[in-house]
Amino acid sequence: QQPVQSPQAVILREGEDAVINCSSSKALYSVHWYRQKHGEAPVFLMILLKGGEQKGHEKISASFNEKKQQSSLYLTASQLSYSGTYFCGTRVLDAGGTSYGKLTFGQGTILTVHP
Amino acid sequence: DAEITQSPRHKITETGRQVTLACHQTWNHNNMFWYRQDLGHGLRLIHYSYGVQDTNKGEVSDGYSVSRSNTEDLPLTLESAASSQTSVYFCASSRESYNSPLHFGNGTRLTVT
Repeated sequence: QQPVQSPQAVILREGEDAVINCSSSKALYSVHWYRQKHGEAPVFLMILLKGGEQKGHEKISASFNEKKQQSSLYLTASQLSYSGTYFCGTRVLDAGGTSYGKLTFGQGTILTVHP
Repeated sequence: DAEITQSPRHKITETGRQVTLACHQTWNHNNMFWYRQDLGHGLRLIHYSYGVQDTNKGEVSDGYSVSRSNTEDLPLTLESAASSQTSVYFCASSRESYNSPLHFGNGTRLTVT
């Protein structure tokens, strides 16, 4: 099943902060975050792995709550360049407790930053 | 630089025709994936491959097929195009490790009339 992202859309002014959430009904091995500009391909932002937390770049970071099967993406002091659609992608734990390869993506969160 | 390229970028076809979308990567990745993107659904997995001669069905595989005869290419074939297959198609590749990101191609916009 697809992970569920919230909110579906966010509108900000430059300098404001935002949080995007990603929830799964299955135990997760890892969570990926990607950003897609209009008409372009998704671009990788960061990975969060089971048992660890990895910070991304610029002023974008994320957390991974294994118990709740949730991840949150934090965008601080937003810039115009942050506008786009953000996707989380999840790898679930298989019966052996590991995972391999394929990602299942959420439906996306549209972020718009105004001057 | 390594890259992943899709062709064509835009395609218009008629219902019932067979269509093949090309995907070629120079990353030397074993993992390759095809996703379709539709408004409100995000990216949905069609087929994927973990290496030569390996193919697997994703969540929306009906009406699509793939074959993997070498590491670099994973063509996606629509056997008999339907209007419901109008979409943007993305190919992606990754290393075969649990923490490897996906590298996406620029997409193919397919319209079935």
